[in-house]
Amino acid sequence: GAVVSQHPSRVICKSGTSVKIECRSLDFQATTMFWYRQFPKQSLMLMATSNEGSKATYEQGVEKDKFLINHASLTLSTLTVTSAHPEDSSFYICSARMAIGQETQYFGPGTRLLVL
Amino acid sequence: LAKTTQPISMDSYEGQEVNITCSHNNIATNDYITWYQQFPSQGPRFIIQGYKTKVTNEVASLFIPADRKSSTLSLPRVSLSDTAVYYCLVIYNQGGKLIFGQGTELSVKP
Repeated sequence: GAVVSQHPSRVICKSGTSVKIECRSLDFQATTMFWYRQFPKQSLMLMATSNEGSKATYEQGVEKDKFLINHASLTLSTLTVTSAHPEDSSFYICSARMAIGQETQYFGPGTRLLVL
Repeated sequence: LAKTTQPISMDSYEGQEVNITCSHNNIATNDYITWYQQFPSQGPRFIIQGYKTKVTNEVASLFIPADRKSSTLSLPRVSLSDTAVYYCLVIYNQGGKLIFGQGTELSVKP
């Protein structure tokens, strides 16, 4: 149980294009999903918190117009990197929390983004 | 948010017990302590979670003293496949934010 998937697992795109990453909770409903970014040899950095049916809450320094988050249902959240540039190349990881009061978060396998 | 401090790296040999200690001096009353394991280019994997005293599951034990200002993850009889980065996190009870520290890079040698 508690499986989170991400799609795609890796993507290569040209500079200036937009990339959408999907995060799905496969066997549970996630009231809250989180998006992280991880650069090589570094720890995970929280980008935003996504609650189903409401606007995402972004961490300081994360541009909301650059990283669009949509939490359309209790099992799906999407992160769109708009007008991607080489410095956006990173490992993007989502996590999902089952319900309020359940503090355990389950992580997806991550999406490797390379912007040329 | 409670900050955690743990060793940057640890070395061990196959078959040994490994104990990784994490400090969280300003943990709040309702905070939980959670440990994750991460392999390169993979998302973190939940290992164990606890609030106080001792918690044990099929892969690890978590020891939390009465003051809860630290915790120790114990991995029994490690194997080469346990080589990974281990993160200690304090879960902020309101909002569920996970703030990752640098983690402990465990290297298990034959």
